[in-house]
Amino acid sequence: AQTVTQSQPEMSVQEAETVTLSCTYDTSESDYYLFWYKQPPSRQMILVIRQEAYKQQNATENRFSVNFQKAAKSFSLKISDSQLGDAAMYFCAYRSADNYGQNFVFGPGTRLSVLP
Amino acid sequence: GAVVSQHPSWVICKSGTSVKIECRSLDFQATTMFWYRQFPKQSLMLMATSNEGSKATYEQGVEKDKFLINHASLTLSTLTVTSAHPEDSSFYICSASPGRSGGGYTFGSGTRLTVV
Repeated sequence: AQTVTQSQPEMSVQEAETVTLSCTYDTSESDYYLFWYKQPPSRQMILVIRQEAYKQQNATENRFSVNFQKAAKSFSLKISDSQLGDAAMYFCAYRSADNYGQNFVFGPGTRLSVLP
Repeated sequence: GAVVSQHPSWVICKSGTSVKIECRSLDFQATTMFWYRQFPKQSLMLMATSNEGSKATYEQGVEKDKFLINHASLTLSTLTVTSAHPEDSSFYICSASPGRSGGGYTFGSGTRLTVV
C-alpha cells in the first residue's frame, strides 16, 4: 500500500517570503500522480498543483512550484512571494495511474501560517 | 468547469435519526465518486468508493450498514448516515473526477455533521 508522509505539522512564513513544504511517499508503482491540495478555513479542498511521475520537468503554477525527486520519492512544494491568502492546511496526495478510478492517499497535512 | 456540489453544508440531528448527504457533479459525468471523513486537525480518510450503478466499495473498518451509499446516476451520489450517534459527528467530503486520467479530482465543499 502507498503511504504519504509530511514531516512538518506546522510551518510559518513572512509575507512576501518563500517557504517550502516537504512530502515523501512510498510506492512500488512506477506510474502515478502527485498532488498538493490546499484546505483553507472554509475547508474547501483546492487543487494547487499536480505532477505526473513520468515527467521529469517539475510542475509550476504561478507562485507555486514543486521539486519532484522520483528516485528519492520526494515531492516538495515551494510557495514564492507568500500572501496572507496562502494560509491554510496543505495536503500532499498520491494517486495511482493504473486506472482513473483510483482514490487519493493523503498525507497528514502541514498547517501554514503567513505572518504580516 | 468540473464543479461538485455537496449539500447540506452543515446539519445537526438527534441521536438515532438518519441523515442524507448529497454530492452532485454539476457540469460533468462522474462514474466514480469518493466519500471521505475528516476529523478536526486531521487528514482526509477514505470511507468508500461509489460507482454508478453498482455497490459501493467500503474501506476496512467502515460500517456499510451505517454509511449507506447510493450512486444512482452519473451526476449524483448520496451518503446516508443511519441511526446516527455522537461519534459519527465529523466533516464529510465527497470528490469526483471528470474522467481525465491523471486529473486532479474536484471536491465538494463538505458537510459538517453534528449529532446531539
